[in-house]
Amino acid sequence: DVKVTQSSRYLVKRTGEKVFLECVQDMDHENMFWYRQDPGLGLRLIYFSYDVKMKEKGDIPEGYSVSREKKERFSLILESASTNQTSMYLCASSLLDSGRGTDTQYFGPGTRLTVL
Amino acid sequence: GENVEQHPSTLSVQEGDSAVIKCTYSDSASNYFPWYKQELGKRPQLIIDIRSNVGEKKDQRIAVTLNKTAKHFSLHITETQPEDSAVYFCAASISSNFGNEKLTFGTGTRLTIIP
Repeated sequence: DVKVTQSSRYLVKRTGEKVFLECVQDMDHENMFWYRQDPGLGLRLIYFSYDVKMKEKGDIPEGYSVSREKKERFSLILESASTNQTSMYLCASSLLDSGRGTDTQYFGPGTRLTVL
Repeated sequence: GENVEQHPSTLSVQEGDSAVIKCTYSDSASNYFPWYKQELGKRPQLIIDIRSNVGEKKDQRIAVTLNKTAKHFSLHITETQPEDSAVYFCAASISSNFGNEKLTFGTGTRLTIIP
């Protein structure tokens, strides 16, 4: 059973603070993703990574950075949090199956971040 | 990049009736189309997916159809039950043998089943 966990369910930070969101998966998946979910906007991809120390920009990378030092862990960093970054953040992972192409993404429970 | 539009944004159906959610995509190279279900307070989970080499796929009460010419795909739920109430997201991606392509999601449909 795939397990994707996120460091916090709820987080409250102040404007200008540096914020770290962590995601850990236990299924040896190569691919990891960070999304933000906002009402009416669906799931929007911030960054993704398909290997340790590799990262690719998604659709809305501005104001965010990521780190992947170990295969099982993918961190999202808000260098200087702003109120418009108040959102639900979802991490996901998937297997890199070269035989099938794109594979199922397994999501974490989400972190609801509020920036005051 | 890819753009996925999803309609309707909300849908209410009587228990036992069918529900249909439609999505269109912009990039004709897209060839993988999953559907995710997110129950209230829970994480999204894959319920069904289709690749472009087939036009329809069925799994018990849910089915997905794909029209590559028109660039649209649909989710069909028959004999709806209260546990089908959730937000449903469609997505599209360009899948290759490399296997690390990103998904572009639609904006979601909130389905409510009326008992």
